Amino acid sequence: QQQVKQSPQSLIVQKGGISIINCAYENTAFDYFPWYQQFPGKGPALLIAIRPDVSEKKEGRFTISFNKSAKQFSLHIMDSQPGDSATYFCAALFSGGYNKLIFGAGTRLAVHP
Amino acid sequence: DAGITQSPRYKITETGRQVTLMCHQTWSHSYMFWYRQDLGHGLRLIYYSAAADITDKGEVPDGYVVSRSKTENFPLTLESATRSQTSVYFCASSTGTRGVNYGYTFGSGTRLTVV
Repeated sequence: QQQVKQSPQSLIVQKGGISIINCAYENTAFDYFPWYQQFPGKGPALLIAIRPDVSEKKEGRFTISFNKSAKQFSLHIMDSQPGDSATYFCAALFSGGYNKLIFGAGTRLAVHP
Repeated sequence: DAGITQSPRYKITETGRQVTLMCHQTWSHSYMFWYRQDLGHGLRLIYYSAAADITDKGEVPDGYVVSRSKTENFPLTLESATRSQTSVYFCASSTGTRGVNYGYTFGSGTRLTVV
């Protein structure tokens, strides 16, 4: 019930391609869905986030697509660059109680030149 | 310096020893969190705190103890370290206000190895 399932575990994309990472959840008490980006040796950093009343949010080359009925959301990275190579985590936040974020297992993205 | 700092960055300890990981933030954020990061498991919440002297368990609290006597500090103690606690530990903080881009700010992590 508290899980956020993320796939794939790893992803290799050529420079200029589209990277797609998917997440799914069960608990309808989640009401906020951020994505975090983590470079080696660093802590995760907020990349982009969406609320369930919106179906899509775009910031530069990064887009979140949200399907409330399917309880799924995804991150699309357009024109992927080698500098995008990192681990990406989706997460979900409960609507009540201590602002707890539940994270997916992470996707290690490698963008090859 | 402003921000959230963790210490030490790296720690090797022996099984059975007590270890304390430190976390300090300068923003006066009310919420603080401890996560552990393991391959295949992502980030799992160990403990969190909504304010000084208010703490609660997360997903994987066994073997850990926290305290929060001051808003800016949130130390995590492994009472008797085990090899299964070898991991990278991240501290994070956040405000209580859910704005448009609400999120946590993470520290740089502590890599703990229990031998």
